[in-house]
Amino acid sequence: GGIITQTPKFLIGQEGQKLTLKCQQNFNHDTMYWYRQDSGKGLRLIYYSITENDLQKGDLSEGYDASREKKSSFSLTVTSAQKNEMAVFLCASSMGDISAETLYFGSGTRLTVL
Amino acid sequence: AQSVTQPDARVTVSEGASLQLRCKYSYFGTPYLFWYVQYPRQGLQLLLKYYPGDPVVQGVNGFEAEFSKSNSSFHLRKASVHWSDWAVYFCAVGNAGAKLTFGGGTRLTVRP
Repeated sequence: GGIITQTPKFLIGQEGQKLTLKCQQNFNHDTMYWYRQDSGKGLRLIYYSITENDLQKGDLSEGYDASREKKSSFSLTVTSAQKNEMAVFLCASSMGDISAETLYFGSGTRLTVL
Repeated sequence: AQSVTQPDARVTVSEGASLQLRCKYSYFGTPYLFWYVQYPRQGLQLLLKYYPGDPVVQGVNGFEAEFSKSNSSFHLRKASVHWSDWAVYFCAVGNAGAKLTFGGGTRLTVRP
């Protein structure tokens, strides 16, 4: 089996700050995803990548950048953190690039902006 | 555009009782459908998934779900709930692309 590791687990930032979240997977999966989870709103897709150096925008990409420099890693940058923002960011991976595939999730990075 | 609605944000059942969590989807055509579970402080894990075929799908830990095209539903069921089922459950719908659309989740509480 494999694992998805997200770092850091907790991230506290200041308003306007640029913040970076990291994700590593050892499944050797092609596709990786970043989701944002807000209480009661389910998961919303921010970015996904179907291969190294590929980036695809999701429904919530404004205010975020992403980077996939290696197959095993996918990072997400909050370009300017918003005050009172609080959410969990979940990284996931899947073998292929179709939504019939099973997603494997990390345990999340919990963001708080002061 | 595809969408998923989980009409019950919170459900409470007694341990040993039966369970149904509701999911309604909107999608043009025949979708792929999923139920994921999120235990406290963890990421999501797959419970079961539906591909076009048998409408009743068996999953892990005694869960099953039934696809209904006429009702646009994919409800999750379990005959006897255990305390370890205390979690948040997400229904999701997919198409031929890479994007899954998730519902808002149902938080399940199990009474002893």
